[in-house]
Amino acid sequence: NAGVTQTPKFRILKIGQSMTLQCAQDMNHNYMYWYRQDPGMGLKLIYYSVGAGITDKGEVPNGYNVSRSTTEDFPLRLELAAPSQTSVYFCASSYGSSYNSPLHFGNGTRLTVT
Amino acid sequence: DAKTTQPNSMESNEEEPVHLPCNHSTISGTDYIHWYRQLPSQGPEYVIHGLTSNVNNRMASLAIAEDRKSSTLILHRATLRDAAVYYCILRGIIQGAQKLVFGQGTRLTINP
Repeated sequence: NAGVTQTPKFRILKIGQSMTLQCAQDMNHNYMYWYRQDPGMGLKLIYYSVGAGITDKGEVPNGYNVSRSTTEDFPLRLELAAPSQTSVYFCASSYGSSYNSPLHFGNGTRLTVT
Repeated sequence: DAKTTQPNSMESNEEEPVHLPCNHSTISGTDYIHWYRQLPSQGPEYVIHGLTSNVNNRMASLAIAEDRKSSTLILHRATLRDAAVYYCILRGIIQGAQKLVFGQGTRLTINP
């Protein structure tokens, strides 16, 4: 199993550009999550999904959109990039929602907006 | 939501045991204690979790105080690869992961 795969690893965007961060998991997990991590800080939840076709906002959803058309994929869309979105983005998945379902994380996408 | 408190940083030597503390004085009876760690330039990875009894796995041990207001993650013999940020997180029995709070954690430095 590859686990959780994120692409690209790095990206530089100009202000106002848009892009999609890709996330795929091959563990047949129902739950998927997008976090951002600013330098020296913990992780903040952007959006999450409990299954194909179902998404919901996390703590910091403004400026982002998501979709979940398949169990495997959970892309994150930035429509009008802003410098405040410079961050490292992590995608994660879990089998269920209970305490016995640990999160599995990808290795992140480092995004710079200038 | 119940909160955890961890030291910002700790330092230890290679091949010595490391004890990483976590305080959670407002923990509820149904909160599990989870630990994750984040190696440099990687996403967090699950380490261990427990409720009341001490727990062991191949990565670490978790010692939980009798009153459950604190816990300690124990790395029995630290290696350079254990240098990471360690997060202590509380998770309810049926609490969805969307409620998890990843604070700033403890940055562990291992000296050769």
